[in-house]
Amino acid sequence: AQRVTQPEKLLSVFKGAPVELKCNYSYSGSPELFWYVQYSRQRLQLLLRHISRESIKGFTADLNKGETSFHLKKPFAQEEDSAMYYCALSPASGGFKTIFGAGTRLFVKA
Amino acid sequence: GAVVSQHPSWVICKSGTSVKIECRSLDFQATTMFWYRQFPKQSLMLMATSNEGSKATYEQGVEKDKFLINHASLTLSTLTVTSAHPEDSSFYICSARNAGAMTGELFFGEGSRLTVL
Repeated sequence: AQRVTQPEKLLSVFKGAPVELKCNYSYSGSPELFWYVQYSRQRLQLLLRHISRESIKGFTADLNKGETSFHLKKPFAQEEDSAMYYCALSPASGGFKTIFGAGTRLFVKA
Repeated sequence: GAVVSQHPSWVICKSGTSVKIECRSLDFQATTMFWYRQFPKQSLMLMATSNEGSKATYEQGVEKDKFLINHASLTLSTLTVTSAHPEDSSFYICSARNAGAMTGELFFGEGSRLTVL
């Protein structure tokens, strides 16, 4: 079954601490993996995708096919990182529907 | 960048009336759009996939006669909540995929908050 699992509903860290939001997926094939972010009172937006292998706002995510994981990491969390983060999977080549994880709410404390 | 516009941003209606929400891709063509419900502090719940020029595909448990979806052009999909009831009150979000891009990236609307009295 195709599935995206984000085991943590809420993650609370202090400013300046490292943060890792976990994401595991189940998919038979080669999917595209994404992280989307929703800041308070804003629309969902793309944070990063695995094919770009880029760092956005200090966040990185590496696709580990062996562990079927796509964890989101940032070495030093900032208060403005507080938001809802969704890991998502899309079939390769822009195929059919995207599968979202349940989301992790990140709260960065001062 | 690609922009998706949703309208209205919020709407209040009486029980039993119908409400239409529009989702437009402003600078790209979208053969596929998606409609979601989002409950407070919860994840997105995919309701249906809107396909340009054909019938929408509904997720299990979503009443197609209750939530009418029309995708008549490559830039517009509409969701009509028919005979709305208070339990239909929710935040509805649409997303669109750029038909010209070989990627599964989604672009989201700002959402529409529906309150049924």
